[in-house]
Amino acid sequence: AQSVTQLGSHVSVSEGALVLLRCNYSSSVPPYLFWYVQYPNQGLQLLLKYTSAATLVKGINGFEAEFKKSETSFHLTKPSAHMSDAAEYFCAVRLNNAGNMLTFGGGTRLMVKP
Amino acid sequence: DSGVTQTPKHLITATGQRVTLRCSPRSGDLSVYWYQQSLDQGLQFLIQYYNGEERAKGNILERFSAQQFPDLHSELNLSSLELGDSALYFCASSVGTASTEAFFGQGTRLTVV
Repeated sequence: AQSVTQLGSHVSVSEGALVLLRCNYSSSVPPYLFWYVQYPNQGLQLLLKYTSAATLVKGINGFEAEFKKSETSFHLTKPSAHMSDAAEYFCAVRLNNAGNMLTFGGGTRLMVKP
Repeated sequence: DSGVTQTPKHLITATGQRVTLRCSPRSGDLSVYWYQQSLDQGLQFLIQYYNGEERAKGNILERFSAQQFPDLHSELNLSSLELGDSALYFCASSVGTASTEAFFGQGTRLTVV
């Protein structure tokens, strides 16, 4: 069965600093991978997705993620954090043929200090 | 706005009661998914419907059931509620079962007291 591990339930960065949120997955077949963001009292919004095309995926709001099969990782990065990036971020995986059932990681709360 | 509408936004009820959560998918989406987000379990997939038929089940309790109606809206029924059922319940929708993006509603926050 597939699973997702997000290292660090809380990450704090200064405004303008690099954001790095870690995600490792396990899957017996090539996965589809996703990053979602959840702002307070909001639903989940898709940031970006990997669907076996380019390994470097660019998403909304300046975020990107790189699929590394050898490391079974899909870390999320942003060169320069903004205060508005403060939110909870979820990495998710689904099997190619599993409909859209997503297995989510535990989430990482990103805090941005002024 | 994702286009997925969930009602009500908040629900407070007592243990042992039954509630119904409602979801209207995006226009044109045939698949509906229900997820539960709780502090101890995180985000978990509960169940999926596609064009009125159950397509996949996840960690859904027997006290919970769902259905999708001909107009494609879906309801999640939670019965014999326990304190531990307090959570945020999300509905998501997608065009089909193989499409790569699901759109999430803003959730229904259920508090069982």
